[in-house]
Amino acid sequence: DTEVTQTPKHLVMGMTNKKSLKCEQHMGHRAMYWYKQKAKKPPELMFVYSYEKLSINESVPSRFSPECPNSSLLNLHLHALQPEDSALYLCASSLGLAGGYEQYFGPGTRLTVT
Amino acid sequence: SQQGEEDPQALSIQEGENATMNCSYKTSINNLQWYRQNSGRGLVHLILIRSNEREKHSGRLRVTLDTSKKSSSLLITASRAADTASYFCATRWVPNTGNQFYFGTGTSLTVIP
Repeated sequence: DTEVTQTPKHLVMGMTNKKSLKCEQHMGHRAMYWYKQKAKKPPELMFVYSYEKLSINESVPSRFSPECPNSSLLNLHLHALQPEDSALYLCASSLGLAGGYEQYFGPGTRLTVT
Repeated sequence: SQQGEEDPQALSIQEGENATMNCSYKTSINNLQWYRQNSGRGLVHLILIRSNEREKHSGRLRVTLDTSKKSSSLLITASRAADTASYFCATRWVPNTGNQFYFGTGTSLTVIP
């Protein structure tokens, strides 16, 4: 199984809502990532987890809260988002952190904040 | 920003022609990867080239790396309509103890049947 799955595919939420994005992989990868991608822009790294511990936070606002409950799952909790947070949120995983492993991406969650 | 820059931003060619896109980056790197993204979908890894390599091939893909010029190129030979997508380079720069990559601005390729 070389697939990264993400749910939901689409999400519309108000600025006062709390929602969560989910990501799952069963490839035994120990590193997982969240990216944000605006239209016609490259993906921007948000968070990196290694062995279920947060390794990198790219100065992301606290209204985005990542969680890695186990080695296969990665969540992104959303609260009090702004309309400018509307974007495609991509999850990725790789075998590890060192050595330049390729990243496997999920199809993304298209988020719209109203 | 540590992102690379790619050119052209958009490229339109006829099926069967070759497509070349270039990536320039700012800092020293450990390795560089190329990814493809179909519209609104996730990214697919194409090829990785390490800083001590100058050229790599994978099927119809050829990647070159010139670390003295801080640039890389991706050549797609005998293009097909299915190659229509956005292509991004991603650099793993030094110093960097993790596997985080920073993506370039991307090239949007359209292959006309």
